[in-house]
Amino acid sequence: GDSVTQMEGPVTLSEEAFLTINCTYTATGYPSLFWYVQYPGEGLQLLLKATKADDKGSNKGFEATYRKETTSFHLEKGSVQVSDSAVYFCALGGGADGLTFGKGTHLIIQP
Amino acid sequence: GAVVSQHPSWVICKSGTSVKIECRSLDFQATTMFWYRQFPKQSLMLMATSNEGSKATYEQGVEKDKFLINHASLTLSTLTVTSAHPEDSSFYICSARLSGPQSYNEQFFGPGTRLTVL
Repeated sequence: GDSVTQMEGPVTLSEEAFLTINCTYTATGYPSLFWYVQYPGEGLQLLLKATKADDKGSNKGFEATYRKETTSFHLEKGSVQVSDSAVYFCALGGGADGLTFGKGTHLIIQP
Repeated sequence: GAVVSQHPSWVICKSGTSVKIECRSLDFQATTMFWYRQFPKQSLMLMATSNEGSKATYEQGVEKDKFLINHASLTLSTLTVTSAHPEDSSFYICSARLSGPQSYNEQFFGPGTRLTVL
């Protein structure tokens, strides 16, 4: 079946550091790929998405490129802020089905 | 827009009782809603797909008689945990799917319900 693997956390960075959270997947067909973010006490929010190979999703300074050859969808941001502290989930799916999630990566940004 | 609410946000119940959790799409209609379960430090696991006006589709390993799902309207789905036991304690999250050609079937998530069974 489909699966998503993302780096374990917590990841602790200083403000303005460069961020990479790795995500790789296994899937049949050509799923859409997503990054969701969960801020403390809130529900999951869609951060960005890509629907086909080589697509780049971007939002709020975050980017991720759908790499079919490496089955990856790594999340990057050039300069993180304290307000980016949250749990980030990589997911695949779409269409009529539910999503398959990674375990989530807890990101902590220190001032 | 595209807000999904859940009620209650947390509930504590005694073993053997039943608990109902509501999931509502507040500003859009959702023909499909999904129920997920999240254990501590684990990913969200899809439990079932709830379709308005028809029976829910359960994922392998999920007991349909224990987790009753009703999707009575285009804005409400309910999950009832019947005869709850401590091992049912978990964080239950629903999502509602926004349909349409430009939406890529995007899902909007509720804030979750923390269930603790004593």
